Amino acid sequence: SQQGEEDPQALSIQEGENATMNCSYKTSINNLQWYRQNSGRGLVHLILIRSNEREKHSGRLRVTLDTSKKSSSLLITASRAADTASYFCATDAISGGYNKLIFGAGTRLAVHP
Amino acid sequence: DAGITQSPRYKITETGRQVTLMCHQTWSHSYMFWYRQDLGHGLRLIYYSAAADITDKGEVPDGYVVSRSKTENFPLTLESATRSQTSVYFCASSRGGGASTDTQYFGPGTRLTVL
Repeated sequence: SQQGEEDPQALSIQEGENATMNCSYKTSINNLQWYRQNSGRGLVHLILIRSNEREKHSGRLRVTLDTSKKSSSLLITASRAADTASYFCATDAISGGYNKLIFGAGTRLAVHP
Repeated sequence: DAGITQSPRYKITETGRQVTLMCHQTWSHSYMFWYRQDLGHGLRLIYYSAAADITDKGEVPDGYVVSRSKTENFPLTLESATRSQTSVYFCASSRGGGASTDTQYFGPGTRLTVL
């Protein structure tokens, strides 16, 4: 079963609007990461937030983490057409002595000019 | 700076054939990973490797074999391809792992179709 699950599955907005994507997970984590995937490409790391952090910023990206609710959100402000992509959260899980990432199914974001 | 590359980018094969997907990274990262991506499932870990000659199973290892004789290469072999292995395969690498999850860097993917 997936550790992280994104919501919504798909989001369609106009350029300039803000986009918010949510991620819920099931077990305790050390950190949570967000990745972006453009169509036909590999994933690109956006931001990592540790379990003792509540908010982190990177450019137009703002990530929050609420460990009590086991949830995270990714906010993209002033969206651009180039932000059109799928966004995945990834949480860590210890298995076989190795702390591996488990990815959710992703949110497909479409930003219209 | 080549980063992480995968070959081939596209592959069509037939059921029962052996197929090897190649992955090469130029960063000397210790950890390497193979994922498959299917609609509705996100990315699922097939195998990972913590260093040369050290590999371990991920979430969906059945039907796959890996090896890592050199740090920079991590080939994935489908010994007898099945239609259910039709997917997009991503290789990734990271500096570290173990107790603290590190950022992973992904290759461009290989789209495999098994007829």
